[in-house]
Amino acid sequence: LAKTTQPISMDSYEGQEVNITCSHNNIATNDYITWYQQFPSQGPRFIIQGYKTKVTNEVASLFIPADRKSSTLSLPRVSLSDTAVYYCLVGDDGTGGFKTIFGAGTRLFVKA
Amino acid sequence: NAGVTQTPKFQVLKTGQSMTLQCAQDMNHNSMYWYRQDPGMGLRLIYYSASEGTTDKGEVPNGYNVSRLNKREFSLRLESAAPSQTSVYFCASSESWPGDGNTIYFGEGSWLTVV
Repeated sequence: LAKTTQPISMDSYEGQEVNITCSHNNIATNDYITWYQQFPSQGPRFIIQGYKTKVTNEVASLFIPADRKSSTLSLPRVSLSDTAVYYCLVGDDGTGGFKTIFGAGTRLFVKA
Repeated sequence: NAGVTQTPKFQVLKTGQSMTLQCAQDMNHNSMYWYRQDPGMGLRLIYYSASEGTTDKGEVPNGYNVSRLNKREFSLRLESAAPSQTSVYFCASSESWPGDGNTIYFGEGSWLTVV
């Protein structure tokens, strides 16, 4: 059972900022929050990771509120090449160990 | 640095045939995983190996077996393939528990069709 909830899909236009929110109400105290990006016919790849507050890298920003029950991936000025599926990953399925479960992800479609 | 390498990339099987998907990582990672992804769907964990010598069931283990051959290699076997196992299979690895902030690295996928 996935521990995370994300919107199934989102549409955007080139040049816009896109924010994808992930809900993880049962996040454990020590869990990190990691986002992955998957293009068609490829394996997912790491985008960004955080534990609390805000993290920024050359690709995206990650906002995590104080209660850590959700997180928001922010993609600034998206382009057509950002069309992909984005997954939020938090720890395991709650039973301990390494049962790392990905949710359904958010399918982002960027239009010209 | 090759990362995670899977073979074969494409395979067509007849119902009832068996096959093994091979996976190797060169990052000295302790943990390895097998996921499947059906068209338009998310990733589902089949089996995982937290460390060399251990394997555990994931979300959808039925019809599959795994072997952690050594620290580098983690194979997935379909004993009697069924059309429902038509999917893309991804092998992945991480240094240790992903919840601790360890990144999961994925292979390029193996496309399996069972007819």
